[in-house]
Amino acid sequence: QTVVTQEPSLTVSPGGTVTLTCASSTGAVTSGYYPNWFQQKPGQAPRALIYSTSNKHSWTPARFSGSLLGGKAALTLSGVQPEDEAEYYCLLYYGGAQLVFGGGTKLTVL
Amino acid sequence: QVTLKESGPVLVKPTETLTLTCTVSGFSLSNARMGVSWIRQPPGKALEWLAHIFSNDEKSYSTSLKSRLTISKDTSKSQVVLTMTNMDPVDTATYYCARIRYFDWIPFDYWGQGTLVTVSS
Repeated sequence: QTVVTQEPSLTVSPGGTVTLTCASSTGAVTSGYYPNWFQQKPGQAPRALIYSTSNKHSWTPARFSGSLLGGKAALTLSGVQPEDEAEYYCLLYYGGAQLVFGGGTKLTVL
Repeated sequence: QVTLKESGPVLVKPTETLTLTCTVSGFSLSNARMGVSWIRQPPGKALEWLAHIFSNDEKSYSTSLKSRLTISKDTSKSQVVLTMTNMDPVDTATYYCARIRYFDWIPFDYWGQGTLVTVSS
């Protein structure tokens, strides 16, 4: 069974920069996995942030960016704001129309 | 304005079949570029993709739950229906539907608010 792994938790100071990563049990993550990133705040539905590795939705703040880093998908937040405190999920596409979410990263802004 | 809204029972008993409906607006289920997925999230746990259906009626299911799931759509009603058989307490979760733009592969750009389903006798 395919497993997508994220850091369980990260802490960042306001105004700082943090990178969240997303790894696949099948090997290096490439653009062919079409990495997506979602933000979820308590009691809310997830919100899409990044699609196809690095593309932003029209509502995605400029401080969020996506990339590939060392065989993983990565989400970088630059100039973190208090409202960025949330759970972040990555999503990978495995072909055969199979989609797998990561376990999520709880980001604390402190 | 794109919206999706889930509806269905709040409580189901073990072994029963769950039927959930996703009603969409702001886009058409007959649009060649669009599809709808179901995703669930047990309390305090991660998201899990369950199934999706495209405008051409092509369907795909999570391999781990495939034997229990059926997805279908009624384009005239703008609804996508998910059934899950043989419900168990571990299936207690918030169930979401979300749109997929599959022509350019942008999954889940819009989500419903979710509906919490509890499995208990």
